[in-house]
Amino acid sequence: EAGVTQFPSHSVIEKGQTVTLRCDPISGHDNLYWYRRVMGKEIKFLLHFVKESKQDESGMPNNRFLAERTGGTYSTLKVQPAELEDSGVYFCASSQGFLAGGRREQYFGPGTRLTVT
Amino acid sequence: KNQVEQSPQSLIILEGKNCTLQCNYTVSPFSNLRWYKQDTGRGPVSLTIMTFSENTKSNGRYTATLDADTKQSSLHITASQLSDSASYICVVSGGSQGNLIFGKGTKLSVKP
Repeated sequence: EAGVTQFPSHSVIEKGQTVTLRCDPISGHDNLYWYRRVMGKEIKFLLHFVKESKQDESGMPNNRFLAERTGGTYSTLKVQPAELEDSGVYFCASSQGFLAGGRREQYFGPGTRLTVT
Repeated sequence: KNQVEQSPQSLIILEGKNCTLQCNYTVSPFSNLRWYKQDTGRGPVSLTIMTFSENTKSNGRYTATLDADTKQSSLHITASQLSDSASYICVVSGGSQGNLIFGKGTKLSVKP
């Protein structure tokens, strides 16, 4: 079974440009999450999809970030226009169903390293 | 403020030795605590997940403990191997939305 995949693995763009990151979750996983790790800081939650609906987008930093999951399969995260502080590693994770005690196992992709110059 | 603190920040040990990594958290409400292993250039991989009623959980040479009263957890690695070199991240699920709150991780280097 294929794991969570992300594309591209690395993107270098100039300030003011637009970048779109893609995440393909594990097949059949209804839950899809986006996270970001800024250099020197911890990984932080951005948002959570259940199928095509945004369950929680409280971690999105500002309106320059737009996440979509049309059809409830893959998801995209667009940054427009990119700023220097957007540089970091963007992780996607997916999970299926619900376990007792809220222990949904999340499976992470390898991340996309975004560098804004 | 919901926070997860880990120590040490980095650790170097010799192959075959044991080590223990620490995690303190201030997350409320608390749902569960997870330890992840992250190899360089890869995404985090789950090692253990514990709810408040679980004191210890093992996964091969990895043993995690949880003290929900003191809000502390530890990850013990037995008979370390070179492949154990990675960042180990303590993650607490909780808060108002039940989202994952990450620590900064402990970078472990196992030397031959």
